[in-house]
Amino acid sequence: EIALTHSPATLSLSPGERATLSCRASQTVSSYLAWYQQHPGQAPRLLIYDASNRAAGIPARFSGSGSGTDFTLTITSLEPEDFAVYFCQQRSNWPWTFGQGTKVEIK
Amino acid sequence: EVQLLESGGGLVQPGGSLRLSCAASGFTFSTYAMSWVRQAPGKGPEWASAMSRNGDSIYYADSVKGRFTISRDNSKDTLFLQMNSLRAEDTAVYYCVKGTRTNYNAGTVDAWGPGTLVTVSS
Repeated sequence: EIALTHSPATLSLSPGERATLSCRASQTVSSYLAWYQQHPGQAPRLLIYDASNRAAGIPARFSGSGSGTDFTLTITSLEPEDFAVYFCQQRSNWPWTFGQGTKVEIK
Repeated sequence: EVQLLESGGGLVQPGGSLRLSCAASGFTFSTYAMSWVRQAPGKGPEWASAMSRNGDSIYYADSVKGRFTISRDNSKDTLFLQMNSLRAEDTAVYYCVKGTRTNYNAGTVDAWGPGTLVTVSS
């Protein structure tokens, strides 16, 4: 089973700042990595699929990069609604797995 | 519009049972694999169970094998999860998730229900 590790666990930033979140896989997942956003009490929402493709309706301030084992989610300028928990998820090998998440909180 | 709506969660004592249901609409249910993904408090989600479109291929996480049973009724567009011998560590929000292919380990997922909370406690 592929393990995904997020860093940092928590990111404290102010609205308007740039957020850079990392996800590392225990073995290569090629580009089969997705990023999800989750607010309290809600289901995860797909932001990025296959490492760098924005899902439908996702603002351009969200972008993803990486391949193999190292991936990055960048939010160029944080809006109030962006403060949430972010998870990466791989679909390279079954069972598909999620990381434990990075919490982006208001500084 | 694809819609998935879970029901059946609640508070149950250790050793008890619950049956979750997921009512699907807005797509041809019988065409797609379906999964139950659960998320314990403060943790990342995990695949608990998955089933191919016609039920001939099934996955269970090791942590639920032998205690949970996934099933589906394609005539009623409904997915089920029978959970027996529940433990405190089964406490989680359980999400019904739609796949994009006929088998669960192909493609990706493209819709989630709002989830139903299962709490196992005495």
